[in-house]
Amino acid sequence: KAGVTQTPRYLIKTRGQQVTLSCSPISGHRSVSWYQQTPGQGLQFLFEYFSETQRNKGNFPGRFSGRQFSNSRSEMNVSTLELGDSALYLCASSKEGVNEQYFGPGTRLTVT
Amino acid sequence: DAKTTQPPSMDCAEGRAANLPCNHSTISGNEYVYWYRQIHSQGPQYIIHGLKNNETNEMASLIITEDRKSSTLILPHATLRDTAVYYCIVRVADTGNQFYFGTGTSLTVIP
Repeated sequence: KAGVTQTPRYLIKTRGQQVTLSCSPISGHRSVSWYQQTPGQGLQFLFEYFSETQRNKGNFPGRFSGRQFSNSRSEMNVSTLELGDSALYLCASSKEGVNEQYFGPGTRLTVT
Repeated sequence: DAKTTQPPSMDCAEGRAANLPCNHSTISGNEYVYWYRQIHSQGPQYIIHGLKNNETNEMASLIITEDRKSSTLILPHATLRDTAVYYCIVRVADTGNQFYFGTGTSLTVIP
């Protein structure tokens, strides 16, 4: 069974630009969560989508947004990039009603 | 979700059991204990979870004290590939996947 895939794996953007990251969950998984990982703050929850609806949201500014499509694939968008947005962005998927999350390899975003 | 306390780092000899402690003294009755690990530069990996009974799977065993205020993750025969950061998370199950990972324990398996 294929795991969680994330694209792109690496990305370099300039301050002020926007970026869209993509996540394809494991087949049959309807919940997709996004996390940001930085050396200073560790792993921080961004948001979770289930059946195309945002179910939970972490404490991040409105520049961070996401969506989920009918096939459970998800995208997250960061607008007006700041240097502090440089991080590893991880996506995780899980089955309905099960909290065992399966993580993808992440997208390494560098903002210059 | 209840807070957890873990030692920042531990060493373990290869082939020996690695026992990783976690304190969660404010855990409430409907909160589960989850363990994940993250090998350098990879996404976290689910290991095991439990409510109050001890649990075992192919990766590890989870021992939860009777008062549920602490738990221990046991890797029975540690290998070099078990070198990772181990996260203990306490939360209510089936309320979505909003996990707070904390700082974890950095386990180094020594040859």
